[in-house]
Amino acid sequence: DTAVSQTPKYLVTQMGNDKSIKCEQNLGHDTMYWYKQDSKKFLKIMFSYNNKELIINETVPNRFSPKSPDKAHLNLHINSLELGDSAVYFCASSQGLAESNEQFFGPGTRLTVL
Amino acid sequence: GQNIDQPTEMTATEGAIVQINCTYQTSGFNGLFWYQQHAGEAPTFLSYNVLDGLEEKGRFSSFLSRSKGYSYLLLKELQMKDSASYLCAVSPSYGQNFVFGPGTRLSVLP
Repeated sequence: DTAVSQTPKYLVTQMGNDKSIKCEQNLGHDTMYWYKQDSKKFLKIMFSYNNKELIINETVPNRFSPKSPDKAHLNLHINSLELGDSAVYFCASSQGLAESNEQFFGPGTRLTVL
Repeated sequence: GQNIDQPTEMTATEGAIVQINCTYQTSGFNGLFWYQQHAGEAPTFLSYNVLDGLEEKGRFSSFLSRSKGYSYLLLKELQMKDSASYLCAVSPSYGQNFVFGPGTRLSVLP
């Protein structure tokens, strides 16, 4: 069983479209995250949720809206896609907010905006 | 601001030892992680340091000096499968608001 899963794995779309990426974890973790990894391979946190509540919201355009229907799911919706949104998006989860808790990453969603 | 530096690329030979350095300047410090990321795959956890000193885990060891803002990852008995990017990440404050370094791409040659 996959611990952290994301769908879709690949997403190719036109500028201006709206798209969603789904994430689910079956580890029973309380905390989930979204990261963006750009072409230079920098991994940058976007959001983190703990028990369905937003904890961290880095400087991310408000075109990006996360939604956590329950602890096991954290979806990412992106409005009015732009060329610069092309990247790999990773979902991750951890047991909680304690610094020592390792994060488990999903396989990533490669988004290409044309 | 938060800043983490790592060498961009390193090359080593199978069976050798390699040390990947990481220096950080962050507003606070609540721990340092190393992750391994193979091309096209997700990062996977390698180690966590919060106190000064060396943590050993099989062929991999990680060292931390908080006063120097410095860590290294030591890989022994290198294998071809160790070719990957190695990411240093610091938690500057409470919670897991990690700041990741740019990663070091390690190539292991036969």
